[in-house]
Amino acid sequence: EAGVVQSPRYKIIEKKQPVAFWCNPISGHNTLYWYRQNLGQGPELLIRYENEEAVDDSQLPKDRFSAERLKGVDSTLKIQPAELGDSAVYLCASSFSGGFDEQYFGPGTRLTVT
Amino acid sequence: AQKITQTQPGMFVQEKEAVTLDCTYDTSDPSYGLFWYKQPSSGEMIFLIYQGSYDQQNATEGRYSLNFQKARKSANLVISASQLGDSAMYFCAMREGRGNQGGKLIFGQGTELSVKP
Repeated sequence: EAGVVQSPRYKIIEKKQPVAFWCNPISGHNTLYWYRQNLGQGPELLIRYENEEAVDDSQLPKDRFSAERLKGVDSTLKIQPAELGDSAVYLCASSFSGGFDEQYFGPGTRLTVT
Repeated sequence: AQKITQTQPGMFVQEKEAVTLDCTYDTSDPSYGLFWYKQPSSGEMIFLIYQGSYDQQNATEGRYSLNFQKARKSANLVISASQLGDSAMYFCAMREGRGNQGGKLIFGQGTELSVKP
């Protein structure tokens, strides 16, 4: 069974530029998560989807971040414009449901903003 | 208030020995789940073990076991017979609430484990 797929793996951009990350969850997983992991810290949730619905986006900086999960499968996370402080690893995870099911993580996208 | 605390930034263990990674948590919700993840240098988070707050027995998965002490609010990970491939960052995480009303997964700061040959 294929795991969570993310692309790109690495991205370097200049500040004020836009950037987008893509995630394909494990087949059949209804819940999708985007996390941000700063260097030396644990991941922090940005947004959680149940199918197409964003059920928790309280940690998403909505002035510059946006996300979508069309058709309840793939998801895209966008930053526009990027700031130096956005440099981090962006992790996508999925689980069968939003309960206590374990979350399976993708390899992440390492973003560097210069 | 920090909900998950991992007080050991780094740990060393000799190959084939056992090691305990500490985790304490804080919650007033009677229903919660505790998770441990491994993150090797490649960056991917790998699920290791889960303990539910109502589970009567400590969770075990192969060489991993979770020493769950509810009254002390601790959920330490025990790795038996350490292997060189166990060298990685280890994160403790907690999720509160039930089902889809449950809150987000909250991670600790992590412990970097180094296994020496």
